[in-house]
Amino acid sequence: DTAVSQTPKYLVTQMGNDKSIKCEQNLGHDTMYWYKQDSKKFLKIMFSYNNKELIINETVPNRFSPKSPDKAHLNLHINSLELGDSAVYFCASSQPEVKGGEYFGPGTRLTVL
Amino acid sequence: EDQVTQSPEALRLQEGESSSLNCSYTVSGLRGLFWYRQDPGKGPEFLFTLYSAGEEKEKERLKATLTKKESFLHITAPKPEDSATYLCAVRHTGNQFYFGTGTSLTVIP
Repeated sequence: DTAVSQTPKYLVTQMGNDKSIKCEQNLGHDTMYWYKQDSKKFLKIMFSYNNKELIINETVPNRFSPKSPDKAHLNLHINSLELGDSAVYFCASSQPEVKGGEYFGPGTRLTVL
Repeated sequence: EDQVTQSPEALRLQEGESSSLNCSYTVSGLRGLFWYRQDPGKGPEFLFTLYSAGEEKEKERLKATLTKKESFLHITAPKPEDSATYLCAVRHTGNQFYFGTGTSLTVIP
């Protein structure tokens, strides 16, 4: 059973395009996150949603907009893609009041040409 | 400023050669220190959570320990299948996770 799933796995696109990445979790967690992992494997948090409300926005350009239709889904929409947006994007979820870490999706490798 | 530093960046071990990975942190209001394993092309996989100094957790050949300033991930008699990147993260009172840059472990048969 997949806990956190993301689509697509790979995304190759041209500069200036708009794209979306979808994420779903079936763990019943209240909090979901988006992370960007750069070429040096550094994971940096972008957004956090708790019960559909944005609670973190870590100085991410406003070209990135998270959308949460319900607490099991957190999608990431990116406008006007730039070369520097190329990275692996991970969705994750957690239940803050429960002792434990985050559960990560398999990642989406975004390549902007 | 909240910070998480891992060392070494990369570690090569012979099969059976025990060693330790380090995670140093400075964070206000620590709500947990987390260890993850990440295999190439996959998302991080949660291993352990530690909450207070002196706490220890074990899983197979891995043992995580915590002090007030750092955590160690001890690997006893590693096998090639333990090869991966090991990530450390801290969560503070703002419920944010801050990750270190990871240690890439290679275990040679």
